[in-house]
Amino acid sequence: EAGVTQFPSHSVIEKGQTVTLRCDPISGHDNLYWYRRVMGKEIKFLLHFVKESKQDESGMPNNRFLAERTGGTYSTLKVQPAELEDSGVYFCASSELGGSSYNEQFFGPGTRLTVL
Amino acid sequence: AQSVTQPDIHITVSEGASLELRCNYSYGATPYLFWYVQSPGQGLQLLLKYFSGDTLVQGIKGFEAEFKRSQSSFNLRKPSVHWSDAAEYFCAVAMYSSASKIIFGSGTRLSIRP
Repeated sequence: EAGVTQFPSHSVIEKGQTVTLRCDPISGHDNLYWYRRVMGKEIKFLLHFVKESKQDESGMPNNRFLAERTGGTYSTLKVQPAELEDSGVYFCASSELGGSSYNEQFFGPGTRLTVL
Repeated sequence: AQSVTQPDIHITVSEGASLELRCNYSYGATPYLFWYVQSPGQGLQLLLKYFSGDTLVQGIKGFEAEFKRSQSSFNLRKPSVHWSDAAEYFCAVAMYSSASKIIFGSGTRLSIRP
């Protein structure tokens, strides 16, 4: 079974440009999460989708970030316009929906974003 | 606010030596507790988790962790490290829910001395 995949693996853009990151969750996983790690700091939660709906977007840093999950399958995270402080590694994770116990989140390899 | 503290940014141990990585958390109640590992060029892999019950949990790759409620700690241990254990290790927590965001510590980078 394929794991969580992310595209691209690396992206280098200039300040002010737009970048779109993509995440394909494990098939059948209705929960999808975005996290990011800026240089040397902890991995921080950005937002959580349940199917196509945003369940929690409390971690989104500002309105330059737009996440979508049309159709409840893959998700995109767009940064427009990108700033220097957006550089870091963006992780996506997915998990099953439902049940009374914790559903493990499976992480993708991340997209390394560098803003020059 | 919930937080996870990993006081050691970088640790170097000799191959074959024992390892302990420290983790303390601040939370309103006992959360789910995790250790993840990220090897170079790889994604985050779950090493082990604690939900309830026995406070000593076993994970993959020979790792174990002990939950100590009185100290709000969840330290990771391995009796004998291998060169392939060189990676970055993250302690993390999540609240009791079937779907909850994970709160990570800042990570500890482990280097192995030949």
